[in-house]
Amino acid sequence: GAGVSQTPSNKVTEKGKYVELRCDPISGHTALYWYRQSLGQGPEFLIYFQGTGAADDSGLPNDRFFAVRPEGSVSTLKIQRTERGDSAVYLCASSPWGGFDEQFFGPGTRLTVL
Amino acid sequence: GQQVMQIPQYQHVQEGEDFTTYCNSSTTLSNIQWYKQRPGGHPVFLIQLVKSGEVKKQKRLTFQFGEAKKNSSLHITATQTTDVGTYFCAGRLIQGAQKLVFGQGTRLTINP
Repeated sequence: GAGVSQTPSNKVTEKGKYVELRCDPISGHTALYWYRQSLGQGPEFLIYFQGTGAADDSGLPNDRFFAVRPEGSVSTLKIQRTERGDSAVYLCASSPWGGFDEQFFGPGTRLTVL
Repeated sequence: GQQVMQIPQYQHVQEGEDFTTYCNSSTTLSNIQWYKQRPGGHPVFLIQLVKSGEVKKQKRLTFQFGEAKKNSSLHITATQTTDVGTYFCAGRLIQGAQKLVFGQGTRLTINP
C-alpha cells in the first residue's frame, strides 16, 4: 500500500516568508509526528497528533511554527517569518495507534531559507 | 540538550567485519527503537526493545537493551555492502510519552 507522502519534496524560500509543508500519512493511522533533521543529526521531535488534536507540541521551537490536522488525516506544518536557521529536512511519520508502535517515515521536505 | 547519545559518530569497516553502535541515555528509557537511514533516504524502523536486559536478533543484527534501561547496542555480524547507512537509536524518556528522542546516529560505511 501507499506509504507516507510529503509535499513539496524541496522548498526554497527567502528569509521572512511563510511556508506550508504537507504530510499525507498512511491511511488509517491515527498518530502523526513531525520531525526536523539537520545535516549529520538525528530527527528532532516537533509535534505529535493523535487524531485531530496535538497531543504533544513540546518540540516546536517557537511560535513561528504551527501545525494542524483538521480531519485527522493530512497534516500541514506552517512556518511564519522563516529564518535561515529553519533550513533542514522536515520529516513526517505516522503510526497505527501511537503508543509503542513503529513509526513510518515519509521522504521528507527539504526546506532551504535563503 | 542532547539526552540520547550515540557512539561512534562514524565507523568505516571492511566488508565482512563486524560493527557495533552504542546508545546511552542520561535517564531511564521506557523503551527504545532502532532505525536505519540509507544515504538520501528516510529512517526505516528496525526493532523495538521494551524489557530490561532484552536481546533480539534479526539475521546478522543483534540488539540489546541494558539492565538499567539506560543503554542499548546494535551489533552487525559480517557486514555487507547493503548495511551501509546511518543507524539511529530513539528512546522514550518517560513512561507513556509519545515523544521519541533520537540519538545523533552512527554512520556506517563499508569498503567492499
